[in-house]
Amino acid sequence: EAGVAQSPRYKIIEKRQSVAFWCNPISGHATLYWYQQILGQGPKLLIQFQNNGVVDDSQLPKDRFSAERLKGVDSTLKIQPAKLEDSAVYLCASSTQGANQPQHFGDGTRLSIL
Amino acid sequence: AQSVTQLDSHVSVSEGTPVLLRCNYSSSYSPSLFWYVQHPNKGLQLLLKYTSAATLVKGINGFEAEFKKSETSFHLTKPSAHMSDAAEYFCVVREDNYGQNFVFGPGTRLSVLP
Repeated sequence: EAGVAQSPRYKIIEKRQSVAFWCNPISGHATLYWYQQILGQGPKLLIQFQNNGVVDDSQLPKDRFSAERLKGVDSTLKIQPAKLEDSAVYLCASSTQGANQPQHFGDGTRLSIL
Repeated sequence: AQSVTQLDSHVSVSEGTPVLLRCNYSSSYSPSLFWYVQHPNKGLQLLLKYTSAATLVKGINGFEAEFKKSETSFHLTKPSAHMSDAAEYFCVVREDNYGQNFVFGPGTRLSVLP
């Protein structure tokens, strides 16, 4: 089966600019996650979708970050305006619905803020 | 709330020798536990998972982990390291309650020397 697809792989922007990331989960996976992984740290959950509804966005900085999954398939994560501390890898993962289902990860988007 | 401690930020072994990566967790409920591996510039790949069945869990690439409730540990082992095992390893805990939050440990970088 095709894996989780993310684009772009790399993005360099200046602070205060905006940026968007795209994720296409594995076909049939109802649950989609966005993580932020700062260099040297483990991934931190930003937002979790179940189909097109938000399950958990408690750690999403809502003043600058937004995410949507309008049709319950693809998802986009946006940052506007970007700050220096947003430099990180943004990982998308998906899983089937149900307890204890493992997450399948994309290769991530590496964001550098100048 | 759940949390994960990975006791070593960096482990270095010689090729052909055993690998031990340590993980301790805290959880208010019966946890599910996972180990993921991340190679450079790649997303995370599931190695194995524990979900309240057998306490000794076998995963891919010869890795296994043992769940010890009394010690709140879930250490990852492999009898003989291979050069391709060099990567970052993350221990992950998820509580088996309504919440679906996965919490990642800070990671352990495994180096394999020839």
